[in-house]
Amino acid sequence: DTAVSQTPKYLVTQMGNDKSIKCEQNLGHDTMYWYKQDSKKFLKIMFSYNNKELIINETVPNRFSPKSPDKAHLNLHINSLELGDSAVYFCASSPRSGTGSLTGELFFGEGSRLTVL
Amino acid sequence: AQSVSQHNHHVILSEAASLELGCNYSYGGTVNLFWYVQYPGQHLQLLLKYFSGDPLVKGIKGFEAEFIKSKFSFNLRKPSVQWSDTAEYFCAVFSGTYKYIFGTGTRLKVLA
Repeated sequence: DTAVSQTPKYLVTQMGNDKSIKCEQNLGHDTMYWYKQDSKKFLKIMFSYNNKELIINETVPNRFSPKSPDKAHLNLHINSLELGDSAVYFCASSPRSGTGSLTGELFFGEGSRLTVL
Repeated sequence: AQSVSQHNHHVILSEAASLELGCNYSYGGTVNLFWYVQYPGQHLQLLLKYFSGDPLVKGIKGFEAEFIKSKFSFNLRKPSVQWSDTAEYFCAVFSGTYKYIFGTGTRLKVLA
């Protein structure tokens, strides 16, 4: 069973369209993230959710709207896609230690490669 | 502001050569440190991690890293690389908030 799964793995679309990427984790983690990896492999955090609540929004355009219907799911919806949105988007989740604090260890999904034409 | 520096952007080695990838971070408090590996076309996977205790940590596939607190460094090493180690390597720092800071990555190419 895949621990963190994302769909779709590949997405090719035209500028101006709206698209969604779904993420689900079966690890029982409370905290989930979206990261963007650009063509130079640079990883940038976009959002972090803890128990369905938004914790981090890293100056991402408001065309990007995350949604967490429950703590096992964190979806990403993108409106009015632009060329610069082309990237690989990774979902990740993070466990807590026995004391309840975040360990920082990330479990990544396989990525969703978005190409905007 | 917190930052993570990986000084080697591209490294090319022959098989059996030794590897050391540098990682320095800037943060004055307690941190958890990680190295992740991304094989071509794949997602990031944990290579090794340091939370506390012995500053020399061993990970998967023969990799190890040493935390030197005085130098704010967490360098990755492997005594003898293999062709299958060709990948992108990321150092990362977690300071206890929800935020992670990744280095810019080092692309390793191992020649057979």
